[in-house]
Amino acid sequence: GAVVSQHPSRVICKSGTSVKIECRSLDFQATTMFWYRQFPKQSLMLMATSNEGSKATYEQGVEKDKFLINHASLTLSTLTVASAHPEDSSFYICSASGGPGNTIYFGEGSWLTVV
Amino acid sequence: EDQVTQSPEALRLQEGESSSLNCSYTVSGLRGLFWYRQDPGKGPEFLFTLYSAGEEKEKERLKATLTKKESFLHITAPKPEDSATYLCAVYSSASKIIFGSGTRLSIRP
Repeated sequence: GAVVSQHPSRVICKSGTSVKIECRSLDFQATTMFWYRQFPKQSLMLMATSNEGSKATYEQGVEKDKFLINHASLTLSTLTVASAHPEDSSFYICSASGGPGNTIYFGEGSWLTVV
Repeated sequence: EDQVTQSPEALRLQEGESSSLNCSYTVSGLRGLFWYRQDPGKGPEFLFTLYSAGEEKEKERLKATLTKKESFLHITAPKPEDSATYLCAVYSSASKIIFGSGTRLSIRP
């Protein structure tokens, strides 16, 4: 199956700093990428949808100035958490569509801890 | 409003005891319904995509079926390694993906 890679898998940052998470589709061109966050024992919460070359569409309640999404190419999307705070600590997951059968494939996820 | 509901929330089975997980949905234009398996601390792992009512797909001990209102994930003679959270998601014609809350499946040896 298609592969989506996220990096880093774990990151610890100080409160007030910014952190970037990358999402790459390794063997297909991802026309659309999705970013989610997931709290323990809860389901995925969609944060935003991005199409290559366009501005991301954010879900209601998600601060676009805090969660900056860039989908600069058909294989790379980045999520930057600006001025992170402890409440931003979470599991962030990306997914990408455009692969075989237009299935949506997920990255491995990134654990963000803000101290 | 697009919605996905999974039941039960949690299911505990004895090894070898077959059962089914349910995913009920309402969506304005279905582009696809997906089943994923998620282990703790990891991203969801793709299992199946179903596109139209009547479609069925199988993989090892799992079989997914789809109607116009719901999908079932049947698990036959499960093993302890099948323990995980199973997620259902629908992809709408508005390019939105909506997840259910998942079913936590636990298989006892």
